[in-house]
Amino acid sequence: EPEVTQTPSHQVTQMGQEVILRCVPISNHLYFYWYRQILGQKVEFLVSFYNNEISEKSEIFDDQFSVERPDGSNFTLKIRSTKLEDSAMYFCASDKNSGVSTDTQYFGPGTRLTVL
Amino acid sequence: KQEVTQIPAALSVPEGENLVLNCSFTDSAIYNLQWFRQDPGKGLTSLLLIQSSQREQTSGRLNASLDKSSGRSTLYIAASQPGDSATYLCAVRGFQKLVFGTGTRLLVSP
Repeated sequence: EPEVTQTPSHQVTQMGQEVILRCVPISNHLYFYWYRQILGQKVEFLVSFYNNEISEKSEIFDDQFSVERPDGSNFTLKIRSTKLEDSAMYFCASDKNSGVSTDTQYFGPGTRLTVL
Repeated sequence: KQEVTQIPAALSVPEGENLVLNCSFTDSAIYNLQWFRQDPGKGLTSLLLIQSSQREQTSGRLNASLDKSSGRSTLYIAASQPGDSATYLCAVRGFQKLVFGTGTRLLVSP
């Protein structure tokens, strides 16, 4: 069964460094998402992406964050200058979203980001 | 702003019991509701999706119901097993994004 994959599984970085989290969505899916979950807290929406554009973003997704689909398979989340509070599990998700918003979102296993 | 609440926060039952997890949401203008399972330190596994026009959905020992007008959903787990131990999350969908609850941590003891 097709699945969303994410790399790396764990990333440790120093405060102020840039990190890039990578995702490979399911191949025939059109909408891609990033969510994060700070330890012990809710899963929170960051951004959705369709047709090489951001289609929706949350208040969390400020200028420090960016997303890109650099080729036909990868979807990346970049954090330009990491802060301690960026430490979280980051989940990538995708769905077909034929425009009726009725689809299941499929989630990857997550990347645990630790900022020291 | 959509708020999703799950009750109880934690539940401990002996193997074999039937149990109900509750999810409530404040804005009934949703497209669908998904129930997920999350194992410690792991990703989210989709269990069931109920469209806004549906009342319930079943998969094996799991049955989810949706009452959109009252802003409630329940996940019923029949004949619980130790392997069901995990955190269960509900999430409601606006146009694109999912809004998650805080989850119910379930422990099923042998």
